[in-house]
Amino acid sequence: SQKIEQNSEALNIQEGKTATLTCNYTNYSPAYLQWYRQDPGRGPVFLLLIRENEKEKRKERLKVTFDTTLKQSLFHITASQPADSATYLCALGLGSGYNKLIFGAGTRLAVHP
Amino acid sequence: GAVVSQHPSRVICKSGTSVKIECRSLDFQATTMFWYRQFPKKSLMLMATSNEGSKATYEQGVEKDKFLINHASLTLSTLTVTSAHPEDSSFYICSARDLYGGLSYEQYFGPGTRLTVT
Repeated sequence: SQKIEQNSEALNIQEGKTATLTCNYTNYSPAYLQWYRQDPGRGPVFLLLIRENEKEKRKERLKVTFDTTLKQSLFHITASQPADSATYLCALGLGSGYNKLIFGAGTRLAVHP
Repeated sequence: GAVVSQHPSRVICKSGTSVKIECRSLDFQATTMFWYRQFPKKSLMLMATSNEGSKATYEQGVEKDKFLINHASLTLSTLTVTSAHPEDSSFYICSARDLYGGLSYEQYFGPGTRLTVT
């Protein structure tokens, strides 16, 4: 069956450390993968997109890797801050025109001062 | 830029009534808009893809007669939940792709609408 798995347990880290979140998928062949941030009661906010032919993407303190052999993406936040506390969603880009996004359930990150 | 709004942000309705939710792209044109629903601590589930001027494409298991979608212009899509029941209570979120986004697959999400059916 097709699955997208993100660690359902909350990730608690100390301010200043690097947070690493994992997204694994099975029986999908995505053209790209996106990471979003979602705060409680709000819609997701786009963070990064990485295509199937890219290994790594960076944006400021964020880094995403994409391994299509392992069917895994890792999302890193370096020098984490309490303001980074939120739920982070990964989404696979699929379908005709690669319009369709299939989301994981998200991992809640809590950064403690 | 790339702001999507939704209205209302919260709505409470009685069982059996219909509710309309609006999704607008404020500063860009969107050929394609998407409607999702999200249950607490669950992932966003795509309900339908809405293309301007044509019928929406619904995902498997989503009743098109219950969730009516109209994408009348490049900046507005509406979702009407007809004959709402308590099990329709959920967080409904829309998103849009920029018409001129080219190969950009980025979707811009609205803030969501919390529907409670009593």
